[in-house]
Amino acid sequence: GENVEQHPSTLSVQEGDSAVIKCTYSDSASNYFPWYKQELGKGPQLIIDIRSNVGEKKDQRIAVTLNKTAKHFSLHITETQPEDSAVYFCAARNYGQNFVFGPGTRLSVLP
Amino acid sequence: EAGVAQSPRYKIIEKRQSVAFWCNPISGHATLYWYQQILGQGPKLLIQFQNNGVVDDSQLPKDRFSAERLKGVDSTLKIQPAKLEDSAVYLCASSWTYNEQFFGPGTRLTVL
Repeated sequence: GENVEQHPSTLSVQEGDSAVIKCTYSDSASNYFPWYKQELGKGPQLIIDIRSNVGEKKDQRIAVTLNKTAKHFSLHITETQPEDSAVYFCAARNYGQNFVFGPGTRLSVLP
Repeated sequence: EAGVAQSPRYKIIEKRQSVAFWCNPISGHATLYWYQQILGQGPKLLIQFQNNGVVDDSQLPKDRFSAERLKGVDSTLKIQPAKLEDSAVYLCASSWTYNEQFFGPGTRLTVL
């Protein structure tokens, strides 16, 4: 079955700097890759996603890139703000299968 | 649009006791998921419903966990009897499209 790894497990950046979180997946048939943000005491919230027929997607300060050959995808957050502090999860899904989540990255944006 | 509702938000029980969690998905969402999220880990799927039928329960510990979704709307997840390792946050999610899931706030279970 699918296995998703995520690095780093914790990340601290200064406000205004960029943050990058990387995930790798094992199932080459996976075709949908969402990223979730989870704040303390809340459920995960979808922030951006990418499908396997696209290499990059951007939404304001966040972007996701996908390298199907290497089977990895990354979340990029630019101009980080204190409210970006949270746990971020990547996930992968193959059509007909269920989501497999990475273990999460705790991002701290220092003022 | 109201989000996914879950109750209770917190529950503390002793091992071998029973507990039940309730989920009300977003109106019109046919697919409902229950996830277990152990501290420091990503969510792990326990069961997926499509309307009131089970699509996938391969990771549900059926000797102690059960779930139902009567009338294809609300759902209940039960644990009987609970073990210490069941301490986790139980997340409910629902979806309209195949891919996008909306999560509820979760129920934090502590088993003593």
